[in-house]
Amino acid sequence: DAGVTQSPTHLIKTRGQHVTLRCSPISGHKSVSWYQQVLGQGPQFIFQYYEKEERGRGNFPDRFSARQFPNYSSELNVNALLLGDSALYLCASSLAGQGPYEQYFGPGTRLTVT
Amino acid sequence: GQNIDQPTEMTATEGAIVQINCTYQTSGFNGLFWYQQHAGEAPTFLSYNVLDGLEEKGRFSSFLSRSKGYSYLLLKELQMKDSASYLCAVRAMDSNYQLIWGAGTKLIIKP
Repeated sequence: DAGVTQSPTHLIKTRGQHVTLRCSPISGHKSVSWYQQVLGQGPQFIFQYYEKEERGRGNFPDRFSARQFPNYSSELNVNALLLGDSALYLCASSLAGQGPYEQYFGPGTRLTVT
Repeated sequence: GQNIDQPTEMTATEGAIVQINCTYQTSGFNGLFWYQQHAGEAPTFLSYNVLDGLEEKGRFSSFLSRSKGYSYLLLKELQMKDSASYLCAVRAMDSNYQLIWGAGTKLIIKP
């Protein structure tokens, strides 16, 4: 079975630009969560979507937005990029939004803002 | 607010046993996860605890004490491939049931 996939793998952008990151969950998983991970730190929660509805939002500015499509894939959009947005962006899928369902992570998108 | 503490780095010898601790402060605890993350890779699931006690899974075991806000991950018969960061994550009511992650413990295995 295919795991969680993310694209692109790496991305270099300039300050002020916009970026769209994509994620496809494991087949049958309806929940997708997005995380930002800075080197040496744990993942920071950005968004969770379940059945195409936003179920949670972390402490990130409005420049960050996301959506989930009918096939449960998801996009994370970041506007007006700042140098501090440089990080590994992880997507994780799970069967449901809560409960003892572990999250399965994709390989991540390494975003560098210059 | 939530607070999760783990040691920054630990060193152990191949074949030995190591215990990685995690303490947390949350309201409305709803589960604790341990993940392994190799450098440059995504985290992979190791264990889940929601009730007090020990969960054993092969060479890895995880313990939880909800009254103490404490968990540990026990790794036995250490192998060089166990060199990685180990992340503790807690789900709680005061985080709207989203996972709050510790900074991770970097485990270095020496021959």
